[in-house]
Amino acid sequence: AQSVTQLDSQVPVFEEAPVELRCNYSSSVSVYLFWYVQYPNQGLQLLLKYLSGSTLVKGINGFEAEFNKSQTSFHLRKPSVHISDTAEYFCAVSDGGTGANNLFFGTGTRLTVIP
Amino acid sequence: ETGVTQSPTHLIKTRGQQVTLRCSSQSGHNTVSWYQQALGQGPQFIFQYYREEENGRGNFPPRFSGLQFPNYSSELNVNALELDDSALYLCASTPRGLNTEAFFGQGTRLTVV
Repeated sequence: AQSVTQLDSQVPVFEEAPVELRCNYSSSVSVYLFWYVQYPNQGLQLLLKYLSGSTLVKGINGFEAEFNKSQTSFHLRKPSVHISDTAEYFCAVSDGGTGANNLFFGTGTRLTVIP
Repeated sequence: ETGVTQSPTHLIKTRGQQVTLRCSSQSGHNTVSWYQQALGQGPQFIFQYYREEENGRGNFPPRFSGLQFPNYSSELNVNALELDDSALYLCASTPRGLNTEAFFGQGTRLTVV
């Protein structure tokens, strides 16, 4: 069975400050890991994904994440946030067999960027 | 824009009624998955359709059912609606031969009263 824990439900941060959104997962098989962003009244947009290879993954809008197998973590980071980054962020996991067709999501982290 | 379109965008139904939600997948995508996102929660996997057959299901009762058509569009049907079925229903499609990214539609907001 797979599960995802997002440790922070809300993260307020000042504009141009760095941010880290934490994600831990559990799985008994090899996994694919994803971060999605959801703006108000919108669907989900993929920020980045880890499939294999380099543990540091770069995504859109200046975000990056690092896969740490020993700590079963996949934390999302951005060195300098902008007002437009205010949104809900979801970490998700799937097993390598089903891929992105069957995702298990965390409960989300609300990032609020303060001017 | 992802190209995955869902209809309707909003819907209000009465407890006990039945509802059908629709999804047009992006061109070239042959796998469609449906998710339920309750308020303040992450999306939960309902089921997936591939080549017009159900190909994986989450922990949802049989009153949640679906269809996929030859053009890969899909429907989600929910019978005997309950108040707890109120949620945002998201459809996601995945490209043929590449299952490493799901493209989501904007969702249908269902309210059961």
